[in-house]
Amino acid sequence: EPEVTQTPSHQVTQMGQEVILRCVPISNHLYFYWYRQILGQKVEFLVSFYNNEISEKSEIFDDQFSVERPDGSNFTLKIRSTKLEDSAMYFCASSEWQGTEAFFGQGTRLTVV
Amino acid sequence: QQQVKQSPQSLIVQKGGISIINCAYENTAFDYFPWYQQFPGKGPALLIAIRPDVSEKKEGRFTISFNKSAKQFSLHIMDSQPGDSATYFCAASGDTGRRALTFGSGTRLQVQP
Repeated sequence: EPEVTQTPSHQVTQMGQEVILRCVPISNHLYFYWYRQILGQKVEFLVSFYNNEISEKSEIFDDQFSVERPDGSNFTLKIRSTKLEDSAMYFCASSEWQGTEAFFGQGTRLTVV
Repeated sequence: QQQVKQSPQSLIVQKGGISIINCAYENTAFDYFPWYQQFPGKGPALLIAIRPDVSEKKEGRFTISFNKSAKQFSLHIMDSQPGDSATYFCAASGDTGRRALTFGSGTRLQVQP
């Protein structure tokens, strides 16, 4: 069964450092998403990406965040200068179309120290 | 208006019992209502979803009931099993406004043997 894969599973970084989280969406899907989940809290939308550009973003997705599809398979989330409050589980998801089933990866646990 | 309110926060059910989780929304532009199941350390997994043209959808032991006029929907888990113990999230998305999934706050279900 096709699945969304994310790497690394756990990333520890120092405050102020840049991190890149990687995702391989399901191959025939057109929409890609990043969500985050602070420990014990709900899943929050960050950004959606379609046709090589951002289609929607939330208030959380400020100038320190960026997304990119560097090649035909990878989808990345970059956090430029990490803060302690960026510590969370980051989930990549993909869907065939907007408003259809979104499939989530296993997540990257980001710990900022 | 983007919020999806979910209750209860936690639920304990005996094996074989019925688990009921409720969600309410405000945004009438929402037209897709999935439920996700999440085990500790894993990504959310789509369980079942409904669109507002039907009032109920059943898949195995899982049923979504949808009340468009009340702007509420609920998940019923029949014959609950210890393996159903997980956190359940309702979500919603629509064609206008926020098109990505907006998640509820989650319900931690514990099914006791």
